[in-house]
Amino acid sequence: NAGVMQNPRHLVRRRGQEARLRCSPMKGHSHVYWYRQLPEEGLKFMVYLQKENIIDESGMPKERFSAEFPKEGPSILRIQQVVRGDSAAYFCASSPNRAANEKLFFGSGTQLSVL
Amino acid sequence: DQQVKQNSPSLSVQEGRISILNCDYTNSMFDYFLWYKKYPAEGPTFLISISSIKDKNEDGRFTVFLNKSAKHLSLHIVPSQPGDSAVYFCAATNTGNQFYFGTGTSLTVIP
Repeated sequence: NAGVMQNPRHLVRRRGQEARLRCSPMKGHSHVYWYRQLPEEGLKFMVYLQKENIIDESGMPKERFSAEFPKEGPSILRIQQVVRGDSAAYFCASSPNRAANEKLFFGSGTQLSVL
Repeated sequence: DQQVKQNSPSLSVQEGRISILNCDYTNSMFDYFLWYKKYPAEGPTFLISISSIKDKNEDGRFTVFLNKSAKHLSLHIVPSQPGDSAVYFCAATNTGNQFYFGTGTSLTVIP
């Protein structure tokens, strides 16, 4: 049973370009979470999605950032017109459901570098 | 608003001794608490958890203690080993909602 798969592992973009980060949850998991880790900081929640639904996007910047988790295919975190401050490690996590005492399983992350 | 706090950014411990990592939270609605371990360039991996109905959970060398009245939890590692050197994150959630993570404590176990 493959774990949470994120790609690419490393992504380099110039300022103003778009970044698309992909996350395939573990088999059987229908809940996806995106977190961002800035240098020297902890894991900051961005968005929580179920298939075709955004459950909680309270951690997402209001502009340039969007996320989706379609019925088929991976979850996508999209950053438009990237700026240097977007450089960070972006982690995706999944869980089978949101019953009590469910834990998150994390992918290896995508390191975004904005030049 | 940091609902989960780890006030010690780093900790150094001699091999074989006990490591104690601390975590405080503010939201009394949290009902499940977790510890994750993270190596550089890797994603966090689950270590141990505790439900709010318990005050202690043990798994091998790892024990998590929960003090609900103080809104405090701790992770004890004994005996500490060099391979335990990593960043440890505590996390908290209440069922159906997001998971809140602390800022992490970097543990170094000195051989």
